Amino acid sequence: GNSVTQMEGPVTLSEEAFLTINCTYTATGYPSLFWYVQYPGEGLQLLLKATKADDKGSNKGFEATYRKETTSFHLEKGSVQVSDSAVYFCALPYGNNRLAFGKGNQVVVIP
Amino acid sequence: DAGVTQSPTHLIKTRGQQVTLRCSPKSGHDTVSWYQQALGQGPQFIFQYYEEEERQRGNFPDRFSGHQFPNYSSELNVNALLLGDSALYLCASSLFTGNTEAFFGQGTRLTVV
Repeated sequence: GNSVTQMEGPVTLSEEAFLTINCTYTATGYPSLFWYVQYPGEGLQLLLKATKADDKGSNKGFEATYRKETTSFHLEKGSVQVSDSAVYFCALPYGNNRLAFGKGNQVVVIP
Repeated sequence: DAGVTQSPTHLIKTRGQQVTLRCSPKSGHDTVSWYQQALGQGPQFIFQYYEEEERQRGNFPDRFSGHQFPNYSSELNVNALLLGDSALYLCASSLFTGNTEAFFGQGTRLTVV
């Protein structure tokens, strides 16, 4: 079935550093791919999405490219801020509007 | 637009008790899905309601049940609570037709003691 795998462990980095969070997927066909963000004490917010292979989703300085050859959708940001501290989830849909999520990566940005 | 609203925000229950969580979907949405997010994990799909019927179900026991009302709001019920049911319960709303974006509420934090 459709599933996503995120890199293990939290990510701690300094302000203005480059952020990469890895996500690989297993899917039938070419579903849309999503990154969601969860700020402390809040629910999930859609950060960005890509609906087909080679698409690049972008929002708030974050980018992710849907790469079918490597079945990946890695999240990147060139210069992180303290306000980017949150948990980031990679997700893909299966069935009708149900989502399979990765385990999430906690990102901590230190001033 | 109030978005997706859930109540209550926090809840403490004792093992063996029953709990009901509530969700109001985003205006214009007709489908409600429920997810369980254990600490340090990603959300896991519980079930989905459309037209007042359960349409899809994840790998959760029958102790988890739900309901959708004519105004599209929904309830999640959990019977015979176990310590392992402690989690953040998230509600997501969407449109049934097409692969539309799901909007999430802030969740209900359930603690079973």
